Amino acid sequence: AQSVAQPEDQVNVAEGNPLTVKCTYSVSGNPYLFWYVQYPNRGLQFLLKYITGDNLVKGSYGFEAEFNKSQTSFHLKKPSALVSDSALYFCAVRDTRYRNRLAFGKGNQVVVIP
Amino acid sequence: DSGVTQTPKHLITATGQRVTLRCSPRSGDLSVYWYQQSLDQGLQFLIQYYNGEERAKGNILERFSAQQFPDLHSELNLSSLELGDSALYFCASSPRTSGGEETQYFGPGTRLLVL
Repeated sequence: AQSVAQPEDQVNVAEGNPLTVKCTYSVSGNPYLFWYVQYPNRGLQFLLKYITGDNLVKGSYGFEAEFNKSQTSFHLKKPSALVSDSALYFCAVRDTRYRNRLAFGKGNQVVVIP
Repeated sequence: DSGVTQTPKHLITATGQRVTLRCSPRSGDLSVYWYQQSLDQGLQFLIQYYNGEERAKGNILERFSAQQFPDLHSELNLSSLELGDSALYFCASSPRTSGGEETQYFGPGTRLLVL
């Protein structure tokens, strides 16, 4: 079954420092990968996705993600973190059997320290 | 704002009861998805509808059912509620049902508390 793993429960980073949220995937075939962010008491907001093409994908709010096929990873990055980036981040992969359902990771809580 | 709306925002009910959650997709979107988010199970796909027809089923209990109406809004019906059904229920929509490259846009969710 298709799955993603987000190995860290929480990521703490100082404001202004680079932010990385890790995600590894396990799929058969070509992966379609997504990142979403969830702010407190809000729904999931789409950040970016990788379908094909350039390994570096640029998304909303200054975020980008790097697809690495050899390491089966899709890490989310931001060069300079803001306090407002504190939220729950989810990596997701398209299910190749039921193509339109997403399989989500457990989520990473990001805390940006002022 | 994703353009997906869900009502109600919060729902408190008792065990054994039945509730209906409502979702209106983004304008023009034909596909609707339901997900459940709980502390122990994380985000789980429940069911997908496309233009009124069921397209995919995930980890949806037999006590739960859904439908999509001609105006494309969808309802998720939860019956014989148990304490463990307490969760955040999300609806998402996308334009079509396709190869899976489409982005799903999520609503704000309905928080269900079963007492």
